[in-house]
Parts: sequence; structure tokens; C-alpha cells
Amino acid sequence: EVQLAQSGAEVRKPGESLKISCNGSGYSFSTSWIGWVRQMPGKGLEWMGIIYPDDSDIKYSPSFQGHVTISADKSISTAYLQWTSLKPSDTAMYYCALLGEQQNFDYWGQGTLVTVSS
Amino acid sequence: SNELTQPPSVSVSPGQTARISCSGVNLGDKFVCWYQQKPGQSPVLVIYEDNKRPSGIPERFSGANSGNTATLTISGTQTMDEADYHCQAWDSNTAWVFGGGTKLTVL
Repeated sequence: EVQLAQSGAEVRKPGESLKISCNGSGYSFSTSWIGWVRQMPGKGLEWMGIIYPDDSDIKYSPSFQGHVTISADKSISTAYLQWTSLKPSDTAMYYCALLGEQQNFDYWGQGTLVTVSS
Repeated sequence: SNELTQPPSVSVSPGQTARISCSGVNLGDKFVCWYQQKPGQSPVLVIYEDNKRPSGIPERFSGANSGNTATLTISGTQTMDEADYHCQAWDSNTAWVFGGGTKLTVL
């Protein structure tokens, strides 16, 4: 069974750094693309970026390039999304999702709620 | 343009047919998929490759895509289908793009 287990909710102050994780199991982690998707409160889904863990090939949405960093450690089947300086506008639910053969996201993690507030 | 436009809301009576649109430039040239998202839950893929249903998705869910518009159709809508629905497409230039989402109300 494919599972994407995300790290728990986080509360940070503006300017702080953060790294959230997504652990994949039940499939070949290294040779499958994993994407990150943002959902701001009451809003739609936004694709942020995607990584191929085997060679760390990464594609970023222009909207998020330079604002976040995506990485992966294939030895522990875990993908990461990190910020160096959070803003209140980063408050959102963040999902990791497994990319299917036809460019759709077949499986989703449970989401990580990030709250940035002073 | 890489935008996908969905109506903010659609209402339907139980047992009737709900249709949710997703518009974009030359969208018919791309594969479109649809996700269902219930409150407090993660999205679930209900349609991929325009009109295919993943295992476990009821037959009342169907999809079509032509020209500039893709449509998700739910036949015999049930109260359990009340949710947000998001369309998504991909192409080599714009990568993965989502629509703004549509809230389906069954009343």
C-alpha cells in the first residue's frame, strides 16, 4: 500500500526557518517523482515544485522558485520542503503527492499545517 | 496563458447531474485530471487522462475534455459527493497547473 506520511503541524514566527518532511512507503521511492502542493486557507491548490529522488532532479514553479527549497534523502525515503525565512503569507497547508504516469498526482500525504505568526 | 478557470460554486439536487467546468487555452490538447477534496481531508484523484476513473471511484464520475473546456460530470449525485473539486493539467511549458477549485453543494 502506497503511503505518504508527512511531519506534524508547525508554528513559527516570521523570519524563522522550517523544514517539513514526507516519508514514502509501499512503492519505489527513488524512481518516483514527488511533488509539493500549497493550499492557503480557504483557497485552491497550487503546485510548488517536484523532485526525482534518485538524482535529485528538481523542477520549481516560477511562483515559488527562490522562496522554498525542495530536497530528498533516498536512503530514508523522505522528501523535504524548507524555508529559510518564513512570512505570515506562508501560512497554509502543504501536501506532498506522488506523481502518476500521466502527470496526475495519484497519492497524497495527509498534509502539514504551517502557521506563521508573531 | 497557464491559467485554469473553474466556477467558484455549483449546486445540485440529490439524484440530479452535476457538471463542473474547467477552462483554459487549448485545454483539449492536454490531459486533464480531477481531484475531490472533502473538508479537512487531502485531495483524492477521481478522474485522470480526461475520462479515466481510478480503482474504487464510482461509475457516476465521468470526464470529458475538448477545445478549451474540460468537464467533470457526476450523474445521480449523492450527498456524499459534496466537496471541493479541483482540475489539473500539465504541459511541458507550464508544468503542473491547478484550477481554482469548485465547491459542489448537494441540496
